[in-house]
Amino acid sequence: DIQMTQSPSSVSASVGDRVTITCRASQDISSWLAWYQQKPGKAPKLLIYAASTLQSGVPSRFSGSGSGTDFTLTISSLQPEDFATFYCQQANSFPPSFGQGTKLEIK
Amino acid sequence: EVQLVQSGAEVKKPGESLKISCKVSGYTFTNYWIGWVRQMPGKGLEWMGIIYPGDSDTRYSPSFQGQVTISVDKSMSTAYLQWSSLKASDTAMYYCARRLLGYCSGGSCRTLYVFDIWGQGTMVTVSS
Repeated sequence: DIQMTQSPSSVSASVGDRVTITCRASQDISSWLAWYQQKPGKAPKLLIYAASTLQSGVPSRFSGSGSGTDFTLTISSLQPEDFATFYCQQANSFPPSFGQGTKLEIK
Repeated sequence: EVQLVQSGAEVKKPGESLKISCKVSGYTFTNYWIGWVRQMPGKGLEWMGIIYPGDSDTRYSPSFQGQVTISVDKSMSTAYLQWSSLKASDTAMYYCARRLLGYCSGGSCRTLYVFDIWGQGTMVTVSS
């Protein structure tokens, strides 16, 4: 199985900041990576798939990049509603696997 | 509007059986895979398995193979996740989700194990 490792596990930032979260796969997954956002008590929400394709309705301040084993999620200018936990997920091979999550907190 | 509406919270005793549901609306049920994801209290997401309602083709993550059963009722546009004998370690929030239909780029398309629409979750508590 492919292991996904996110860093950092948590990060504190302020409204307006630029934030980057990293995800590393234990083997090459090409561009087959997705990012989800989960707010407390809510279901996850798909943000990005195929490493950099923004899901319909997701604000353009979210962007994704990377290929192979190293990927990043960037939020260009944090908004109050962005504080949540973010998960990466490899979508290349079965079984799919999630990273452990990165909690984005308000500084 | 596409919706996946899950059944309500359950409280069960170890050894009991359980079947939770996920009713879909707003799209053709048989055209999209439906999957299940577990989230234990305070923990991350775990991919459990997936089913194609069109022909009931089902795939389980090895960690969940033999532990749960995923099924569908096409007439009800509903997917199910069931346990025959619950354990305390099954206590978790369970989400159903629809698999993205496909990704196309440069004239070629492929399917991805990505969920684009999620249910609201069903909390299952197993305690004696």
